[in-house]
Amino acid sequence: DAGITQSPRHKVTETGTPVTLRCHQTENHRYMYWYRQDPGHGLRLIHYSYGVKDTDKGEVSDGYSVSRSKTEDFLLTLESATSSQTSVYFCANSPGLALTDTQYFGPGTRLTVL
Amino acid sequence: QKEVEQNSGPLSVPEGAIASLNCTYSDRGSQSFFWYRQYSGKSPELIMFIYSNGDKEDGRFTAQLNKASQYVSLLIRDSQPSDSATYLCAVRDVSNAGKSTFGDGTTLTVKP
Repeated sequence: DAGITQSPRHKVTETGTPVTLRCHQTENHRYMYWYRQDPGHGLRLIHYSYGVKDTDKGEVSDGYSVSRSKTEDFLLTLESATSSQTSVYFCANSPGLALTDTQYFGPGTRLTVL
Repeated sequence: QKEVEQNSGPLSVPEGAIASLNCTYSDRGSQSFFWYRQYSGKSPELIMFIYSNGDKEDGRFTAQLNKASQYVSLLIRDSQPSDSATYLCAVRDVSNAGKSTFGDGTTLTVKP
C-alpha cells in the first residue's frame, strides 16, 4: 500500500485555466513522482522530487510545474490548461534508491480540459 | 526507438494456460525491473521486481531477466480470468533519482 491519496479524483476544466492536483502520502518517503497516462500508452514522467523543495523535470514537463514544501505533499500545477493535457495523472512514491525499492502509485486523477 | 518495448497485444490465452509477456529495454545502465498490473480504470499495482540475471518466482508468477540481451519477461502460470488486465514493464535507473521508464503495456485476456 502506497499510502497515497490524490485530489481531486476527477476534474473538468476549461482551456486556459490553471489547475492544481494534489498528492499526499502518509509515509515519509523521500521520492515522489508525477506521471501522466494516455489511452493505449504507458506512464510518462512529468516531474519528480527527491526531497523537500528538491524537484526536477521528467520527459514531458512542458506546461507543468511542481512544488514540494512538505515531505508528505507534492503538487502538480498546469499553468494554463490545454486540451492536450487531458489525461489521467498518477502520483507515485518510493522510499529510496535501493534496488529493492519500488514505486507505489496513488489512485489517479482523471482530468478533462475542454 | 522507444526505450522500453513490450510485445504488442492484445494477448489472449485460455484459462489454465501459461501467459508470456515480454519486454526489451535500450538503456544498459538500467538496474532494476518491475512488472505492474493495471486493471481498467485503476492504478498500476506491483506484481514483481527483479534485478539479478535469472529467474525469480512468486506464486504463479515468474520474472526472468537477461541483462546481456536487455530482456525481461513475465510468465503467468495457470492463468485465471482475474489475471485479465494490462501489464506494464518498467525499467528503473537508481543512479538517476530512481526514475522509471514504462512500456506501453500488453493487454492480457484470459478466457474461461
